[in-house]
Amino acid sequence: EPEVTQTPSHQVTQMGQEVILRCVPISNHLYFYWYRQILGQKVEFLVSFYNNEISEKSEIFDDQFSVERPDGSNFTLKIRSTKLEDSAMYFCASSGTGRGSNYGYTFGSGTRLTVV
Amino acid sequence: KQEVTQIPAALSVPEGENLVLNCSFTDSAIYNLQWFRQDPGKGLTSLLLIQSSQREQTSGRLNASLDKSSGRSTLYIAASQPGDSATYLCAVMNTGFQKLVFGTGTRLLVSP
Repeated sequence: EPEVTQTPSHQVTQMGQEVILRCVPISNHLYFYWYRQILGQKVEFLVSFYNNEISEKSEIFDDQFSVERPDGSNFTLKIRSTKLEDSAMYFCASSGTGRGSNYGYTFGSGTRLTVV
Repeated sequence: KQEVTQIPAALSVPEGENLVLNCSFTDSAIYNLQWFRQDPGKGLTSLLLIQSSQREQTSGRLNASLDKSSGRSTLYIAASQPGDSATYLCAVMNTGFQKLVFGTGTRLLVSP
């Protein structure tokens, strides 16, 4: 069964450093997403990406965040200057139609980011 | 603004019991609703997807229903097993948007 792959599984970084979280979505999917989950809290939407541009973003997704699809397979989330409150599990997801009709969303297993 | 609530927050049952998890949402203009399973420290596994025009979906021992007008969905798990122990998340997609809005989840423990 097709999978969304995320690397690394765990990343520790110092406050103020830049981090890049990587994802390989399902190959024939068209929509790509990042979500995050702070420990003990709800899963929260960050951004959706379609046709090489951001199609929707939340108020969390400020100028410190950016996304990119540098080639035909990878989808990345960059945090420019990490803060302690950025510590969370970050999930990448993809869907075929953008409406999740036949397949729904497929989520990756997440990257746990710890900012110290 | 869509708000999704799940009750109970935690549930502990003996193996073999049938159980119901509840999800409610405040804005009935949804496109679809999904139920996910999350194991500790792991990703989200999609269990069932219900389109707004549907009333229920079934997969194996799982059955999810949707009552859009009342803003409710239930996940029914038949003959629960210890392997069903996980957190179950409900998420809705509103019409006109692509994002999912998640509930806080129900943490289920099925004891042998």
